[in-house]
Amino acid sequence: DAKTTQPTSMDCAEGRAANLPCNHSTISGNEYVYWYRQIHSQGPQYIIHGLKNNETNEMASLIITEDRKSSTLILPHATLRDTAVYYCIVRVVGGGSQGNLIFGKGTKLSVKP
Amino acid sequence: DAGVTQSPTHLIKTRGQHVTLRCSPISGHKSVSWYQQVLGQGPQFIFQYYEKEERGRGNFPDRFSARQFPNYSSELNVNALLLGDSALYLCASSERDWSGPEAFFGQGTRLTVV
Repeated sequence: DAKTTQPTSMDCAEGRAANLPCNHSTISGNEYVYWYRQIHSQGPQYIIHGLKNNETNEMASLIITEDRKSSTLILPHATLRDTAVYYCIVRVVGGGSQGNLIFGKGTKLSVKP
Repeated sequence: DAGVTQSPTHLIKTRGQHVTLRCSPISGHKSVSWYQQVLGQGPQFIFQYYEKEERGRGNFPDRFSARQFPNYSSELNVNALLLGDSALYLCASSERDWSGPEAFFGQGTRLTVV
């Protein structure tokens, strides 16, 4: 079972920041927070990951609370092409099935003009 | 460089039949993982192979099997198909023996069982 809780859906206006929350209250010290997204009819796409520090890359920023029980994915200037299902995943970095991705239902983000 | 390629893109099978799905990883990647995505759900892990050895198995019946070839391509086989096997089957490749951030997914094979 997924170890994360996300809202089922969210809307965002084009050009505004999209903030997607994720709760992972049972996260262990050796588990990372990963975000993937899946645009309709395509395979999931890696966005960003982090352990305890905030992270930023060309796609998004990841803010992890100090107690690591929740995080927020931020898309700074959402476009219509960011409409997708966003998955928050916690996982152990390691071999075998422990290292594989356990997806929940994710958040359906709709970016509107 | 080509990404992860899966074939076929779509297929329709009848209950009780057998199906083979194929995946070619990104050049240089030695790990292949398979996922099943039923409509409205997130992908569910089926198998992982690394260097031709099974490294992980999800909670799927023995009707599901897979293998990895010397060129690191992979096949997923499903026997005695059920209606509930209708899903998008995704393949992901990565350099390492776990699906880290370097995991790249293919476009999937849409299987419909009638």
